Amino acid sequence: GAVVSQHPSRVICKSGTSVKIECRSLDFQATTMFWYRQFPKKSLMLMATSNEGSKATYEQGVEKDKFLINHASLTLSTLTVTSAHPEDSSFYICSARDSWGSPPEQFFGPGTRLTVL
Amino acid sequence: RKEVEQDPGPFNVPEGATVAFNCTYSNSASQSFFWYRQDCRKEPKLLMSVYSSGNEDGRFTAQLNRASQYISLLIRDSKLSDSATYLCVVPSLMTTDSWGKLQFGAGTQVVVTP
Repeated sequence: GAVVSQHPSRVICKSGTSVKIECRSLDFQATTMFWYRQFPKKSLMLMATSNEGSKATYEQGVEKDKFLINHASLTLSTLTVTSAHPEDSSFYICSARDSWGSPPEQFFGPGTRLTVL
Repeated sequence: RKEVEQDPGPFNVPEGATVAFNCTYSNSASQSFFWYRQDCRKEPKLLMSVYSSGNEDGRFTAQLNRASQYISLLIRDSKLSDSATYLCVVPSLMTTDSWGKLQFGAGTQVVVTP
């Protein structure tokens, strides 16, 4: 199946710093990527939809100035958590839609575990 | 009411037994449904898609009950490797295609014991 990678897989940072997470589709083009957040024993919550070449669409309650999304190419989207705080500690997962697949299934990256001290 | 609700479990299942659990959804107009499997600290992986009344893939059977607005997943002849959290996923009807915005249930944990 299609492969989506995320980097880094785990990051520990101090409060107030910014963290960038990369999501790459390795063997297909993805015009649309999605960023999710999952807290322990909770469901995945969609944060934003990342569209190649245009602005991301954020879900209600997600601060766009805090979670910066850039989707500059058909294989890469980045999520930057700015001025991270301990409450931002979570499991961040991206998914990518295979633009030409049938059906256009979403493939998930392995996730990035963020811990803010 | 949540869009997608699941019994969190855990369902403790002896190896070789059958286990079934449900997922209820709130929007009666939903047309497609998915079951994903998520292992601890890993990403979700698609297990099965359901577009009509049900689907079967080996030991896994999904049934859709539109009248009562729930989808079930049944696992026969459980293996130790089936231990995981099973996520019920319903696409948001705000988009026009089945693979747009996905709404996830919190998951049902299954533990298969020797």
